[in-house]
Amino acid sequence: VQLVESGGGLVQPGKSLKLSCSASGFTFSSYGMHWIRQAPGKGLDWVAYISSSSGTVYADAVKGRFTISRDNAKNTLYLQLNSLKSEDTAIYYCARAGSYVLWFAYWGQGTLVTVSS
Amino acid sequence: DIQMTQSPSSLPASLGDRVTITCRASQDIGNYLRWFQQKPGKSPRLMIYGATNLAAGVPSRFSGSRSGSDYSLTINSLESEDMAIYYCLQHNEYPLTFGSGTKLEIK
Repeated sequence: VQLVESGGGLVQPGKSLKLSCSASGFTFSSYGMHWIRQAPGKGLDWVAYISSSSGTVYADAVKGRFTISRDNAKNTLYLQLNSLKSEDTAIYYCARAGSYVLWFAYWGQGTLVTVSS
Repeated sequence: DIQMTQSPSSLPASLGDRVTITCRASQDIGNYLRWFQQKPGKSPRLMIYGATNLAAGVPSRFSGSRSGSDYSLTINSLESEDMAIYYCLQHNEYPLTFGSGTKLEIK
């Protein structure tokens, strides 16, 4: 199992960014996926979840601004970040759901998003 | 939302010590509780699932327990490689919520 995030970078407040999480080593279409973030020097915050059937759930802090999606043909998970705020500055990790035993057993290395003017 | 109150925030300990970290859930979460270890610059690693079950590859000196709404991670005979930040996570309901973390450091 391998998860590789990309798309992070420096972006101005109010702008948008799209993160990707490329998955390999498992049948991506069969698994739900999460995004979790970690502000610099801070703890972990769950951001969003998408089921294998593309049902979605969001944290209140990002609801209406972020959109989680997936492309099973490309084995890729996405997170569209709109109307970015300074408090969205964080490392963004994707993590696999799946069987009860293995929920959150697999994480990517993270991609850093910095929101600053 | 379910609040996970984790304590202590910092835990100085000596090699060979037995240490315990606790998370208290503000609502019933059953056994939908996981523990993670995170080292500097690394992604979190799953240590415990279902409150008491050791994840694959985790040393047996780690254990998880539950007493009512209190969930604990215990490390017996602390080793240098255990120095890290530990987080609990409830996944009984959305939004999923993490504890604030416990930094385990050498005394």
